[in-house]
Amino acid sequence: QSALTQPAAVSGSPGQSITISCAGTSSDVGAYNYVSWYQQHPGKAPKLIIYDVNQRPSGVSDRFSDSKSGNTASLTISGLQPEDEGDYYCISYTSSSTWVFGGGTRLTVL
Amino acid sequence: QITLKESGPTLVKPTQTLTLTCTFSGFSLSTPGVGVGWIRQPPGKALEWLALIYWNDDKRYCPSLKSRLTITKDTSKNQVVLTVTNTDPVDTATYYCAYRRESLGSGYPDWGQGTLVTVSS
Repeated sequence: QSALTQPAAVSGSPGQSITISCAGTSSDVGAYNYVSWYQQHPGKAPKLIIYDVNQRPSGVSDRFSDSKSGNTASLTISGLQPEDEGDYYCISYTSSSTWVFGGGTRLTVL
Repeated sequence: QITLKESGPTLVKPTQTLTLTCTFSGFSLSTPGVGVGWIRQPPGKALEWLALIYWNDDKRYCPSLKSRLTITKDTSKNQVVLTVTNTDPVDTATYYCAYRRESLGSGYPDWGQGTLVTVSS
């Protein structure tokens, strides 16, 4: 299985909205609604922010949302805030009952 | 409250076997639907999913590393062990263990702090 494809970097100004894409195949992203997204700050463990199409863990802001179309999932962050800066990773369950991560996207808040 | 903590050597020589232990609390690995997985992250690089073991001892491995990985559990000790055989410098990474529960969706909501392992002679 190959890593999912994410843009290496995205940026936005405070208050703006940004979208990060996560492209896979019909064997992973396209196979199920089982994509989750993680935020990671430097030196910290990843934090689950959204899973399985707009399911947010308790305490995660509703500024985070996701969607999926075919073999591509997308994470949208609205009302960008300085603390949103960091790395974002998608991960998908696969038809082989394993998981595969994306290559990660560095978000810069200008 | 769910907590996980990884432990193991910080330095391993190439070709040696790396053994990592995840010690957890706040849940039982004998509860249906529960699993513990391992994920690693080389310095400055992306996360890579490695393996997962379920409450019923079902095991899943990253296809490209399957021949070198073994995941086991000791329910009585609340521990999950990952072994990586024939290590190489490219295995240098922070290794994380993470909890998942099928009823909570496909994500891994709780992670350990990670442990950095360097493979070098």
